[in-house]
Amino acid sequence: ETGVTQTPRHLVMGMTNKKSLKCEQHLGHNAMYWYKQSAKKPLELMFVYNFKEQTENNSVPSRFSPECPNSSHLFLHLHTLQPEDSALYLCASSQNGVTYNEQFFGPGTRLTVL
Amino acid sequence: DAKTTQPNSMESNEEEPVHLPCNHSTISGTDYIHWYRQLPSQGPEYVIHGLTSNVNNRMASLAIAEDRKSSTLILHRATLRDAAVYYCILRTPGNTPLVFGKGTRLSVIA
Repeated sequence: ETGVTQTPRHLVMGMTNKKSLKCEQHLGHNAMYWYKQSAKKPLELMFVYNFKEQTENNSVPSRFSPECPNSSHLFLHLHTLQPEDSALYLCASSQNGVTYNEQFFGPGTRLTVL
Repeated sequence: DAKTTQPNSMESNEEEPVHLPCNHSTISGTDYIHWYRQLPSQGPEYVIHGLTSNVNNRMASLAIAEDRKSSTLILHRATLRDAAVYYCILRTPGNTPLVFGKGTRLSVIA
């Protein structure tokens, strides 16, 4: 138990659906992150929020839309996804965006797009 | 972030020490060396980090070469629960996130 929870743990959706992934951290951190982990590929950073402000968007397609209403919650809104978007989506948090802060990861949401 | 090179896989016997190498020949003077691991069906977890001096914590030790162009993560007594993918990551000071490579898949044999 890392203090970072993600829901749902598994999600199957069609290409025309709209769904949202939720991440919550109970650690009092100020930075939150979304990563994508596809099969046989390294983890890819998607978005970074620091004190609720988006500080990094790693050229992510607009069909992925993040939202950070407060420092404890992070959402990833999904719409019109493609089958190649099927992956494990991981959320992480850290005290802030400073270099030596360790990141705490959630268990991930396994997404399958049909 | 500077790149790191790790072996794709390693194997260890249970109860024996494991030395996981990482090469980072283009490291800059201010880059920190971080290690994370990812157990099966879980998100990555922090293991240890250092800058110049060797570091120890309850999980592992980190030995950093004098020229900082390589480092070694040491698990003193491997257990079956240590079977995971281990990532060596360099992190530049500032508001920079982690950049993961392919890591080393460690198998532990009972």
